[in-house]
Amino acid sequence: KQEVTQIPAALSVPEGENLVLNCSFTDSAIYNLQWFRQDPGKGLTSLLLIQSSQREQTSGRLNASLDKSSGRSTLYIAASQPGDSATYLCAVSPGSEKLVFGKGTKLTVNP
Amino acid sequence: DTGVSQDPRHKITKRGQNVTFRCDPISEHNRLYWYRQTLGQGPEFLTYFQNEAQLEKSRLLSDRFSAERPKGSFSTLEIQRTEQGDSAMYLCASSKRGGTSGLYNEQFFGPGTRLTVL
Repeated sequence: KQEVTQIPAALSVPEGENLVLNCSFTDSAIYNLQWFRQDPGKGLTSLLLIQSSQREQTSGRLNASLDKSSGRSTLYIAASQPGDSATYLCAVSPGSEKLVFGKGTKLTVNP
Repeated sequence: DTGVSQDPRHKITKRGQNVTFRCDPISEHNRLYWYRQTLGQGPEFLTYFQNEAQLEKSRLLSDRFSAERPKGSFSTLEIQRTEQGDSAMYLCASSKRGGTSGLYNEQFFGPGTRLTVL
């Protein structure tokens, strides 16, 4: 059974700092990995999708990497801003169907 | 097209009542998924459709839950005889087959329906 773990559960940083969020998964046989952002009481916003054959994806200040063999992914956020405050969720797709999610990392960026 | 929509956004009901939620996917997406999220947890998969066919159901989907997707467009999720443990955010997502891989790639989520069972 695929399990996804996100560390840390919560993170508080000053504005402008670069930061890394971690995601690990137990079964390396995945089709893709997706990072999401969730604001309190809201739905999920897709940030980045990494296919199993890819090593990383970039969008603006965000960079996500994938190491299938070690079962790890990282989300790097450059020059953090207060508007980046949210919960960040990592999800893997064991097949091309459902997503299996971690519990998320709650990020607070202080002005 | 503005993305996945869900209705209602909030529902408060009494234990034992039936509730129904609706999801409208992105128009060209033929896969539709339902997830449930409780406080402090990540979303958990419930079921998914490809066009009108329901292809997989999680063991979380007890016999009180039923989902439909008539004509392969919008979907409904009904919960019968609600229990307090059903209180959660119900999320809908959609996707389409993409790229040379032919895999169903990125899932796009709606705003969710928050259910409170008193």
